[in-house]
Amino acid sequence: NAGVTQTPKFQVLKTGQSMTLQCAQDMNHNSMYWYRQDPGMGLRLIYYSASEGTTDKGEVPNGYNVSRLNKREFSLRLESAAPSQTSVYFCASSVAGGSTEAFFGQGTRLTVV
Amino acid sequence: GQQVMQIPQYQHVQEGEDFTTYCNSSTTLSNIQWYKQRPGRHPVFKIQLVKSGEVKKQKRLTFQFGEAKKNSSLHITATQTTDVGTYFCAAYNDMRFGAGTRLTVKP
Repeated sequence: NAGVTQTPKFQVLKTGQSMTLQCAQDMNHNSMYWYRQDPGMGLRLIYYSASEGTTDKGEVPNGYNVSRLNKREFSLRLESAAPSQTSVYFCASSVAGGSTEAFFGQGTRLTVV
Repeated sequence: GQQVMQIPQYQHVQEGEDFTTYCNSSTTLSNIQWYKQRPGRHPVFKIQLVKSGEVKKQKRLTFQFGEAKKNSSLHITATQTTDVGTYFCAAYNDMRFGAGTRLTVKP
């Protein structure tokens, strides 16, 4: 039982490059989330998907796009990476919104140079 | 969305001392969840509180939800080195997290 799987685990990008962070869960959860974590800033919500076919902006959506490909997969895309996007990115999922516990992936450490 | 303020930001204790972190909101919360994140790892769910005045215990950890459902606390009795990490609260709505309290324990 893998839970929430994120790929890649580490990535270095040059400013202006694009990339997609992948996330998949095998728990049949309805809701999925993308967070970024910076030192001293806690976890900040980028985008979330309450259910398959819907996506909504969180606290810090600028510079990112998301796709809920199906119930299992929720990807995060950086179209033109900037050094300010250097962070650790976590994907999470839950059965139904914030009323049930969230399960997190192992994280992607992204550095933009 | 609902904002939660968490204090203190950092806490350093001697092993065996108690530790408390607080989560405060200006609005009434539907529920509150607590997570623990060990250094270099991902956050892991600890507990959810739903009812006004609710108190739940997990061994040396005690979680409380305020009567007005605007604040919550996590208290650890007699800390151990295994308690090291950052403790986050998260408010229902769209799963926004507090900034966390980073706990370090000196053996």
